[in-house]
Amino acid sequence: SSELTQDPAVSVALGQTVRITCQGDSLRSYYASWYQQKPGQAPVFVIYGKNNRPSGIPDRFSGSSSGNTASLTITGAQAEDEADYYCNSRDSSDNYVFGTGTKVTVL
Amino acid sequence: QVQLQESGPGLVKPSETLSLTCTVSGGSISSYYWSWIRQPPGKGLEWIGYIYYSGSTNHNPSLKSRVTISADTSKNQFSLKLSSVTAADTAVYYCARGQTVTTDLDYWGQGTLVTVSS
Repeated sequence: SSELTQDPAVSVALGQTVRITCQGDSLRSYYASWYQQKPGQAPVFVIYGKNNRPSGIPDRFSGSSSGNTASLTITGAQAEDEADYYCNSRDSSDNYVFGTGTKVTVL
Repeated sequence: QVQLQESGPGLVKPSETLSLTCTVSGGSISSYYWSWIRQPPGKGLEWIGYIYYSGSTNHNPSLKSRVTISADTSKNQFSLKLSSVTAADTAVYYCARGQTVTTDLDYWGQGTLVTVSS
């Protein structure tokens, strides 16, 4: 399957830790990258590879992977982290695939 | 700093062809992969396709043969044509730069809303 499945929504208390998961067969072979999207804005690239952050992304964002599941963890969530988060990877035909998206609410 | 900017009509009639251009500044399109992604209102991201600087392309099988992606290196632009559009093609369309080995999309345009309506 070339699908990437994410939980539709998660919530986290301010300052606490939240983990967002992305499941798919392709993740056994390829790393996922992660994107943050706030309302009315373009997605922003936040995690790539094994656990790498582009310049300017706070170190409270981290990534990991095991088997068919990739995870994005926000440690010490801030109000500004409230957004939709998408994972992305490829399938066996070199097509890009996006996850279904997770809405993160910071309480 | 690489910047991408989408341009094109915001309204397209059903059955016609949607045409968008992405202008890249701060870097050359003569390397990397250059993708189009769309997002219907209130929904998730959908990859449309990419062009590699060499001219090779790939696109989402779900869009069948309706997609054409091309590049003009002299203008540092790449373009999307989506034929036979319907209301289901109404979306915000984004262009983005992709890395050569992975599917990482590191720079994105701001997006442009295209509405399909008569």
